Amino acid sequence: EAGVVQSPRYKIIEKKQPVAFWCNPISGHNTLYWYRQNLGQGPELLIRYENEEAVDDSQLPKDRFSAERLKGVDSTLKIQPAELGDSAVYLCASSFDRDQPQHFGDGTRLSIL
Amino acid sequence: EDKVVQSPLSLVVHEGDTVTLNCSYEVTNFRSLLWYKQEKKAPTFLFMLTSSGIEKKSGRLSSILDKKELSSILNITATQTGDSAIYLCAGSSNTGKLIFGQGTTLQVKP
Repeated sequence: EAGVVQSPRYKIIEKKQPVAFWCNPISGHNTLYWYRQNLGQGPELLIRYENEEAVDDSQLPKDRFSAERLKGVDSTLKIQPAELGDSAVYLCASSFDRDQPQHFGDGTRLSIL
Repeated sequence: EDKVVQSPLSLVVHEGDTVTLNCSYEVTNFRSLLWYKQEKKAPTFLFMLTSSGIEKKSGRLSSILDKKELSSILNITATQTGDSAIYLCAGSSNTGKLIFGQGTTLQVKP
């Protein structure tokens, strides 16, 4: 079974530039999550999707972050404009449903100059 | 506010030692407790515990949940250098949201 696929693996941009991350979940997994992990910390949830519906986006900074999950499969997370404090690893995870374990992709390491 | 606290934050042992990692949680509408291993990439799923007092085992790793004490432990016996990693504990609510602890960094020396 193929795992969660994320791209790019690394991204370096200057502040105020836009950036986008892409995630392809495990086939058949209806629930998709985006997390942000700062150095030395555990991941923190940004947004959760059930199929194509965002059911929990309370921790997403909506002034600069947006996400979409078209057709209930792939998802993109966008930041515009990026700020220095956005430097982190952005992890995507998926699960069959909310009661099953979440499986993570390798993440995108974002560095803001 | 929901929170998960892990201890110790870091640990250095020698190959062959046994280690115990601790996790305490306060999660509204708690559903399950999960353990992940994180090396340089993605957190890798280890265990999910939903019932108190029932031990889950996988090789040299085992874990148990105590719902009365709102805690869990992860045991690793006969440690190997390949066990060196960050071990993350997370509490799951009934919405599926995971609240992670800050992790325990384990270093196993040859």
